[in-house]
Amino acid sequence: TQLLEQSPQFLSIQEGENLTVYCNSSSVFSSLQWYRQEPGEGPVLLVTVVTGGEVKKLKRLTFQFGDARKDSSLHITAAQPGDTGLYLCAGGSGSTLGRLYFGRGTQLTVWP
Amino acid sequence: DVKVTQSSRYLVKRTGEKVFLECVQDMDHENMFWYRQDPGLGLRLIYFSYDVKMKEKGDIPEGYSVSREKKERFSLILESASTNQTSMYLCASSFPRREQYFGPGTRLTVT
Repeated sequence: TQLLEQSPQFLSIQEGENLTVYCNSSSVFSSLQWYRQEPGEGPVLLVTVVTGGEVKKLKRLTFQFGDARKDSSLHITAAQPGDTGLYLCAGGSGSTLGRLYFGRGTQLTVWP
Repeated sequence: DVKVTQSSRYLVKRTGEKVFLECVQDMDHENMFWYRQDPGLGLRLIYFSYDVKMKEKGDIPEGYSVSREKKERFSLILESASTNQTSMYLCASSFPRREQYFGPGTRLTVT
């Protein structure tokens, strides 16, 4: 059972375009994390959101946690080739000893 | 800076061999995790540990075992490697209910 559904699975855009990646669930999470992974490397944490409705910005990246804490979005403004990578969302449930439930990821390619 | 290291970046083993993958973290994290990552399937949790000598099965524990004798070290063991265990293996660590920090991964090929 996949608790977190990410969409789209693949995204290929030109430099300078904007994009949004979605992470949806029917479950409520105590926190939601976004990671980026480059080929041959482990995922690297970008942000953690914990409050329903919370918005966090990291330079050109904007992360939002849904009001009901069941979904999240990642918006990138003016994408650059350096943004290329696999974006993973992961939900934390406070009652399960700290394990995370990962989505399958969105593979983003930004062409110069 | 959190550092999670894995014993090998690339490993090639034969079917039936016993394989050990080791992971070490330097942040005094209580929790440690082993995942495998396959194209289109995302990260799947194999086992995790929330304390020394304590372990919990994840979503796909069959064919694997783990060992945590010291807080900083978490080992994944493939008792008898099979070709369907060819994958990228990722180790992570964290404080309880906090963000996870990943190692660089081990690309295991079983022939």
